[in-house]
Amino acid sequence: NAGVTQTPKFQVLKTGQSMTLQCAQDMNHNSMYWYRQDPGMGLRLIYYSASEGTTDKGEVPNGYNVSRLNKREFSLRLESAAPSQTSVYFCAVMGLMNSPLHFGNGTRLTVT
Amino acid sequence: AQSVTQPDIHITVSEGASLELRCNYSYGATPYLFWYVQSPGQGLQLLLKYFSGDTLVQGIKGFEAEFKRSQSSFNLRKPSVHWSDAAEYFCAAGRREMRFGAGTRLTVKP
Repeated sequence: NAGVTQTPKFQVLKTGQSMTLQCAQDMNHNSMYWYRQDPGMGLRLIYYSASEGTTDKGEVPNGYNVSRLNKREFSLRLESAAPSQTSVYFCAVMGLMNSPLHFGNGTRLTVT
Repeated sequence: AQSVTQPDIHITVSEGASLELRCNYSYGATPYLFWYVQSPGQGLQLLLKYFSGDTLVQGIKGFEAEFKRSQSSFNLRKPSVHWSDAAEYFCAAGRREMRFGAGTRLTVKP
């Protein structure tokens, strides 16, 4: 039982390149999230999907797009990467609203 | 706008001393509230949560937190800190949209 799986674990991009971060869950939870974590700034919400077929912007959506492909999968796309997007990205899922988030292991992205 | 504030970026306490980490939130309605801990290079682990009922909640590793509606606060406490508690602590609040504070890094002196 993997829980929340993120791929890749590490990625280096050049400025202007694009890439998609993948997230898949086997917990059958409705809500999925993408966060970025930067030193001194905590986790900042990029986008979330409360249920299949819906997506909403979080605190820092600029430069990102998301797709909720089905109930299991929620991808994050960087169309034109910038050095400011160097970060650790976490995918998370939630069942009921009063239940905690379950996190993936993160993707460390460096943009040069 | 919805927000979570952790006023203390870094706290140092001696082993065996008590600890209080502060968290304030700004939400239209009372959100669900959580504390998570992250050790270096690790993921986030849930310490405790509050969504209704008793305003003092108990968590793992001897932590507790008190919800104060009048102060929009959810402070984390531990009576006696152990060296293994050194980590970064995050407060989170929300309902479906879950936001985090910037974190408090805890250093424990021997």
